[in-house]
Amino acid sequence: GAVVSQHPSRVICKSGTSVKIECRSLDFQATTMFWYRQFPKQSLMLMATSNEGSKATYEQGVEKDKFLINHASLTLSTLTVTSAHPEDSSFYICSARGASGYITGEQFFGPGTRLTVL
Amino acid sequence: GQQLNQSPQSMFIQEGEDVSMNCTSSSIFNTWLWYKQDPGEGPVLLIALYKAGELTSNGRLTAQFGITRKDSFLNISASIPSDVGIYFCAGQAGGGADGLTFGKGTHLIIQP
Repeated sequence: GAVVSQHPSRVICKSGTSVKIECRSLDFQATTMFWYRQFPKQSLMLMATSNEGSKATYEQGVEKDKFLINHASLTLSTLTVTSAHPEDSSFYICSARGASGYITGEQFFGPGTRLTVL
Repeated sequence: GQQLNQSPQSMFIQEGEDVSMNCTSSSIFNTWLWYKQDPGEGPVLLIALYKAGELTSNGRLTAQFGITRKDSFLNISASIPSDVGIYFCAGQAGGGADGLTFGKGTHLIIQP
């Protein structure tokens, strides 16, 4: 149980285009989903926290108009990178926290999405 | 923002050796977590610690939540080739609804 998927696993796009990444909790309901970004050989950095049915909360320095987050259901959150540029190339990882019955604090991570902007 | 200092940055060890890595913080965390990440994949939870002073084992892995709530260590005993990877500590300052602050990782390399 507690499986989180991401789609696509890899995406290559041209500079200036928008890219949507999906994060799904497959076998549990997630009231909260988190989006992280990881540059090569670096740690994961929290970008935003997304609660179902409400606006996402962005970390300092993360542009909310550039990284659009939608958490429309208890099993799906999407991250859209708008007008992508080469510096947005990174590994984007989501995590999901169970609605109930799960140990407080435990987040289940997706396999990540490798974004390359040409 | 909060930062976690994780050390060592990398370790080169022989198969069968024990491994120890740790994380420290200038601020208090209510939860400490240890993850392992293989290349191109998301992190996988190894051990979660929820109480100051807690010592928890998971097979060959042992982790402790420091009594001051500002540090944690992870030990791996009798390392095997599949232990190779990057290990991250992560802290959660608030409750379960908070995102995680990650350390910079320890890259474990095992020489046969």
